[in-house]
Amino acid sequence: QVQLVESGGGVVQPGRTRGLSCAASGFSFSNSDMHWVRQAPGKGLEWVAFISSDERNKYYADSFKGRIAISRDNTKNTLYLQIYRVTIEDTAVYYCAKEGGSSGWFDHWGQGTRLSVSS
Amino acid sequence: SYQLTQPLSVSVALGQTARITCGGDNIGIKNVHWYQKKPGQAPVVVINRDGNRPSGIPERISGSNSGNTATLTITSAQAGDEAEYYCQVWDTIVIFGGGTKLTVL
Repeated sequence: QVQLVESGGGVVQPGRTRGLSCAASGFSFSNSDMHWVRQAPGKGLEWVAFISSDERNKYYADSFKGRIAISRDNTKNTLYLQIYRVTIEDTAVYYCAKEGGSSGWFDHWGQGTRLSVSS
Repeated sequence: SYQLTQPLSVSVALGQTARITCGGDNIGIKNVHWYQKKPGQAPVVVINRDGNRPSGIPERISGSNSGNTATLTITSAQAGDEAEYYCQVWDTIVIFGGGTKLTVL
């Protein structure tokens, strides 16, 4: 069955860089478009970034102002997210999600990795 | 940028029908998807493409979309339906509504 397992969360100081990973299994990762979505404490779901299956297309939420980078390694079935110059507002649970179809919906989600930004 | 508006909360009596709305400019021409989110759990898609129910989602849950409003309808509401519900569209980028807390009384 489809499995998405995020890792890389934890406590990080403001201003540092943090890398998150999402290990995928149970489906054709190299043929799947992927996303990162986050949820800050007490807040709603917030879309973060998208990457196409072949890595040619990448889209980011405007609110990150160039502080993030999404990438993937199809040979390792792994999705990545780099967050540069983290701030307190980046404290959230980060989910990777598999796109379910051309209409842009998410058919599978990981359990999330919690990132806490604190000095 | 495109925005989706949901009520903060909806309450429904056990066994009754709950309706959660998602407002957006001419949202009827877009594909709307709905997710159920419970604390400590990953979101689960309950409706995709306006009214399509993924396998495993009960027939009590349905969706519609027209004009400026998409609606998620849950009939015969059960305690297990208590959750936050989010609508979502793709409009050059992915957009989520603010979420609606459903309380089953």
